[in-house]
Amino acid sequence: GENVEQHPSTLSVQEGDSAVIKCTYSDSASNYFPWYKQELGKGPQLIIDIRSNVGEKKDQRIAVTLNKTAKHFSLHITETQPEDSAVYFCAASAGNEKLTFGTGTRLTIIP
Amino acid sequence: EAGVAQSPRYKIIEKRQSVAFWCNPISGHATLYWYQQILGQGPKLLIQFQNNGVVDDSQLPKDRFSAERLKGVDSTLKIQPAKLEDSAVYLCASSLVEGAKAFFGQGTRLTVV
Repeated sequence: GENVEQHPSTLSVQEGDSAVIKCTYSDSASNYFPWYKQELGKGPQLIIDIRSNVGEKKDQRIAVTLNKTAKHFSLHITETQPEDSAVYFCAASAGNEKLTFGTGTRLTIIP
Repeated sequence: EAGVAQSPRYKIIEKRQSVAFWCNPISGHATLYWYQQILGQGPKLLIQFQNNGVVDDSQLPKDRFSAERLKGVDSTLKIQPAKLEDSAVYLCASSLVEGAKAFFGQGTRLTVV
């Protein structure tokens, strides 16, 4: 089955700086890669996703890049703000199969 | 648009007792998922429904966990009897169809003592 590894497990950045979280996947058939943000006591919230037919997608301060050859994808957050502090999860799936999640990154924005 | 609704938000039970969780997906979403999230880990799929049929229950501990989605809308997840290691957040998610964007509810935090 699919295996998703996520790094780093914790990340602290100064407010206004950029944050990058990286994930690798094992199943070359995976073609859908969403990113979720989870705040304390809440369910995961979908913030951006990418399919394997594109290499990069951007939504305001958030971007995701995908390297199918290397089987890795990354989340980039620019101009970080205190409200970006949360746990971020990457995930991968192939077609209609289940999402397999990474282990999460706790992002802390230092004012 | 209303999101995925789950209840209860919190539940504390003793081991060997039973418990049930309820989920109401986003209106019109055919696919419903139950995930288990142990503290410090990513969500793990327990069961996936397409309408009222089971698509994937390969990681559901069927000796103690059961789930149903009657009429293809609401769903319930039951644990009987509960074990200490079942302490986790149980998340329900739904998507329009299989493979589409999945949206999560707030989850039910279960503590087994």
